[in-house]
Amino acid sequence: EAQVTQNPRYLITVTGKKLTVTCSQNMNHEYMSWYRQDPGLGLRQIYYSMNVEVTDKGDVPEGYKVSRKEKRNFPLILESPSPNQTSLYFCASRGGVWLGETQYFGPGTRLLVL
Amino acid sequence: AQKITQTQPGMFVQEKEAVTLDCTYDTSDPSYGLFWYKQPSSGEMIFLIYQGSYDQQNATEGRYSLNFQKARKSANLVISASQLGDSAMYFCAMRDGNDMRFGAGTRLTVKP
Repeated sequence: EAQVTQNPRYLITVTGKKLTVTCSQNMNHEYMSWYRQDPGLGLRQIYYSMNVEVTDKGDVPEGYKVSRKEKRNFPLILESPSPNQTSLYFCASRGGVWLGETQYFGPGTRLLVL
Repeated sequence: AQKITQTQPGMFVQEKEAVTLDCTYDTSDPSYGLFWYKQPSSGEMIFLIYQGSYDQQNATEGRYSLNFQKARKSANLVISASQLGDSAMYFCAMRDGNDMRFGAGTRLTVKP
């Protein structure tokens, strides 16, 4: 089954404790991205990757890091989480450059930073 | 920079009636794509419908149709014959390059 998986699905942590949210897709997609969703703001892009070893900042990259060492994986790293990073996070992937190419979303990761 | 605006934070509709969710966008790129996603209370993002900027006809997918008015830069979602299961958040999104940007969303509640 074609899918994007994220782990963990729920996470409660404390300020400053480094964490990683994993994202994996099994569709051989080149393009992957991370979004955060906050009430009243919709989804905002954090980082995206066009291919292995190619990453770029989205609209809200501060406080986040990513890496793309393999095509299928695109982890999101919070080196020193802060309460303002409490949010719902989505990983997404798509296969081609056609504007209408369907973007597949992971199930989301709910993060609470105390 | 592109911008997506959804002016209705919340909408109510009676079951079996039609409802229109508004979306306006702004881009200087002549080539772009418009999307609508549904997010039920369970949280997942479900793709509903796509409209390309060069498409001559409005997109339709079952009970969903997209009222595309290019000159007005609007891409409203029309849901016909609303069902209780349509209660959810709805997001309008646009892609005009590599990035996809989303509106703030509209919460639709279908009343029995």
